[in-house]
Amino acid sequence: AQKITQTQPGMFVQEKEAVTLDCTYDTSDPSYGLFWYKQPSSGEMIFLIYQGSYDQQNATEGRYSLNFQKARKSANLVISASQLGDSAMYFCAMREYQGGKLIFGQGTELSVKP
Amino acid sequence: EAQVTQNPRYLITVTGKKLTVTCSQNMNHEYMSWYRQDPGLGLRQIYYSMNVEVTDKGDVPEGYKVSRKEKRNFPLILESPSPNQTSLYFCASSPREGLNYGYTFGSGTRLTVV
Repeated sequence: AQKITQTQPGMFVQEKEAVTLDCTYDTSDPSYGLFWYKQPSSGEMIFLIYQGSYDQQNATEGRYSLNFQKARKSANLVISASQLGDSAMYFCAMREYQGGKLIFGQGTELSVKP
Repeated sequence: EAQVTQNPRYLITVTGKKLTVTCSQNMNHEYMSWYRQDPGLGLRQIYYSMNVEVTDKGDVPEGYKVSRKEKRNFPLILESPSPNQTSLYFCASSPREGLNYGYTFGSGTRLTVV
């Protein structure tokens, strides 16, 4: 069965430091997409980054990069040079080719300290 | 501006009083979906629709109804709300089913059933 696991309920990071949010997934479908979303305290869901299962290189979007290790079924989000505005809940999600559903992990709450 | 519009943003209602949460998208997306978000459980899919007049149950459909009479609209109906339906609800849309299309989310509806 498809599953996304985020094992860090909460994390702290010092401003300007880098932080890694963990995500592991389970699927039997060889074709899938992996996504990260940010949810600030205001509640909206903001798309951050996407990685396809056949992509050879790790995805990057500005200060966000996705450390994709296919054999280990992990898709960790790396945020470089953390900012106070990065404090939010972060969700890892997966979408399989055969279905439209986006499956979410439980989320990691990131707090950036000044 | 491309967006998914949900209304209302906040709603407090009483047990048993029928309510509808509206959702509209202006991106001509085929795929639309409703999720509920509860602490510790992440986001769970309630219903989804792959196109007009095509809807199907997600993981937690009990107590909810949907319809897709037009491509842009996908309302969520609670015929007889109960306190366990108190949650944060998201409508989302996507160009089509498939692994590399992320979702665009509405701003969310915070529902309280007393």
